[in-house]
Amino acid sequence: DVKVTQSSRYLVKRTGEKVFLECVQDMDHENMFWYRQDPGLGLRLIYFSYDVKMKEKGDIPEGYSVSREKKERFSLILESASTNQTSMYLCASSLRQGGYGYTFGSGTRLTVV
Amino acid sequence: TQLLEQSPQFLSIQEGENLTVYCNSSSVFSSLQWYRQEPGEGPVLLVTVVTGGEVKKLKRLTFQFGDARKDSSLHITAAQPGDTGLYLCAGARLSGYSTLTFGKGTMLLVSP
Repeated sequence: DVKVTQSSRYLVKRTGEKVFLECVQDMDHENMFWYRQDPGLGLRLIYFSYDVKMKEKGDIPEGYSVSREKKERFSLILESASTNQTSMYLCASSLRQGGYGYTFGSGTRLTVV
Repeated sequence: TQLLEQSPQFLSIQEGENLTVYCNSSSVFSSLQWYRQEPGEGPVLLVTVVTGGEVKKLKRLTFQFGDARKDSSLHITAAQPGDTGLYLCAGARLSGYSTLTFGKGTMLLVSP
């Protein structure tokens, strides 16, 4: 069964820590995405990548960075975690551009204290 | 940024009832997708509609893409508790590289 795997389901981190969220897909998809999901705000795009070593800012990139060294892996980095980054983080991938469906991971619930 | 409006935001019904949720925009999309998200999980793709006026059926779920490709609806017949979840619509722009634009979702609760 093809899938997108996020390394952690739950994380608790302290304010100021550097946080790494890892995402791996086994479908040879070109595109990968990081979203955060908050009540009342829906899914908001943080960063996406359409190729290895390529990255594009989404709607809310401030406070985040990403890394895509290999096609199957897309990492989200919180440079200095803050309490307003407490959220559900969702990774997704798609075959390529053009309206192809996204396959999402199960999400990482991050709490910053 | 294009906007997809979903309505209603929340729907609570009894098992066996029918319901329709809507996804509307002032923009034209090349395709529109519907996802269902269960608590604590990521969204799962249900269907993609591409042609204006297209109707797709998935068991008790019927999806329709508007003739002008600006809106879509999801109709569920005889809802079951297993249908409970957050239903998200997402649209793909007509041209150029783009990500999907997601609506905020309709939370459906089906009680036994």
